[in-house]
Amino acid sequence: DAGVTQSPTHLIKTRGQQVTLRCSPKSGHDTVSWYQQALGQGPQFIFQYYEEEERQRGNFPDRFSGHQFPNYSSELNVNALLLGDSALYLCASSYRTGNMNTEAFFGQGTRLTVV
Amino acid sequence: AQSVTQLDSQVPVFEEAPVELRCNYSSSVSVYLFWYVQYPNQGLQLLLKYLSGSTLVKGINGFEAEFNKSQTSFHLRKPSVHISDTAEYFCAVSPTSGTYKYIFGTGTRLKVLA
Repeated sequence: DAGVTQSPTHLIKTRGQQVTLRCSPKSGHDTVSWYQQALGQGPQFIFQYYEEEERQRGNFPDRFSGHQFPNYSSELNVNALLLGDSALYLCASSYRTGNMNTEAFFGQGTRLTVV
Repeated sequence: AQSVTQLDSQVPVFEEAPVELRCNYSSSVSVYLFWYVQYPNQGLQLLLKYLSGSTLVKGINGFEAEFNKSQTSFHLRKPSVHISDTAEYFCAVSPTSGTYKYIFGTGTRLKVLA
């Protein structure tokens, strides 16, 4: 089992550019959540996708958007990048039963640097 | 709303000594509790979790934690640490109703000294 895989592992972008990060969930999982971890901080919840729809959203601006595909993989898009968007972006996957999710498994993250 | 406070940003400890990493939380609803470890340049690995039942929870790598509802705490302990335990440790909570959205603390850096 490959677990949760994220790509790319590292990325450098210029202010104002757009970026797309990708996540493949653990086998059998159907829910993907994204977190932003700034340097020296704990992860902050961005949003969660299930059945190709955004189900929950944290306190992040509309510049942050996402998508989930029929195979449950997901993308995180960030537009008009700011220096403050530099962070480790973590993807977590889980399986929804009823209204509850199983425990989430985290990927290794994508390190985004905005210059 | 929920919040998690990790009182110690850094904890230095000598190898083979015991360690306790403190975590307090605030929530108006029932929550599940978790401890994750993060090694440099890596993602999060689950150490242990409290969902229900016994308040003393044992996890991987010899770690354990005790849920104290009255003090809203979930402190992490290990009786004897190793150099390899040097890492960042995060406490997190998630509401028992609804989906698994995690609220993390700011982390405690454990540095094990030889």
